Amino acid sequence: EAGVAQSPRYKIIEKRQSVAFWCNPISGHATLYWYQQILGQGPKLLIQFQNNGVVDDSQLPKDRFSAERLKGVDSTLKIQPAKLEDSAVYLCASSLDMGQAGRGELFFGEGSRLTVL
Amino acid sequence: AQSVTQPDIHITVSEGASLELRCNYSYGATPYLFWYVQSPGQGLQLLLKYFSGDTLVQGIKGFEAEFKRSQSSFNLRKPSVHWSDAAEYFCAVDPDSGGGADGLTFGKGTHLIIQP
Repeated sequence: EAGVAQSPRYKIIEKRQSVAFWCNPISGHATLYWYQQILGQGPKLLIQFQNNGVVDDSQLPKDRFSAERLKGVDSTLKIQPAKLEDSAVYLCASSLDMGQAGRGELFFGEGSRLTVL
Repeated sequence: AQSVTQPDIHITVSEGASLELRCNYSYGATPYLFWYVQSPGQGLQLLLKYFSGDTLVQGIKGFEAEFKRSQSSFNLRKPSVHWSDAAEYFCAVDPDSGGGADGLTFGKGTHLIIQP
């Protein structure tokens, strides 16, 4: 079974530039998450999708971050304009079942590391 | 607001020795509790989870965790560590806030170092 795919793995940009990250979840997984992991900290949820609808985006800085999940499969996370504090690893995760049996069982990609200069 | 505390930033253990990683949560009710491991160059992987019932839960790779309501703790244990266990370990909670949102709140992690 193929895992969660993310690209690019690494990206270096100047502040005020824009960047986009792509995620392809495990086939059949209805729920997709984007997390931000700053160095030395645990992952922080940015947004959760159920199919192509947003379930939770309460921690997404909407003035500069946007995300979409077209057709309920792939997802793109965009940052525009980037700030120095956006330097982090952006993790995508997916899960199969929102029932209790599968609750919290997230499958993570390897992440996209962003450096903002 | 709910929070997860992992008091130990780094822990060093000799190979073959026992391990306990601490996790405390702050939340009114009993949340769903998890331990994830992040190995170098790999994505986070679920080790085990607790929802209800037996307070001692078994996970993959020989790990177990015990939920103690009186201490608001969910500590991870392993009787004998292997060099391959060197990784970053994250405790996480799902506060079950309803509405279908089940995004996890993670602690800051504990970096486990294995000495030969």
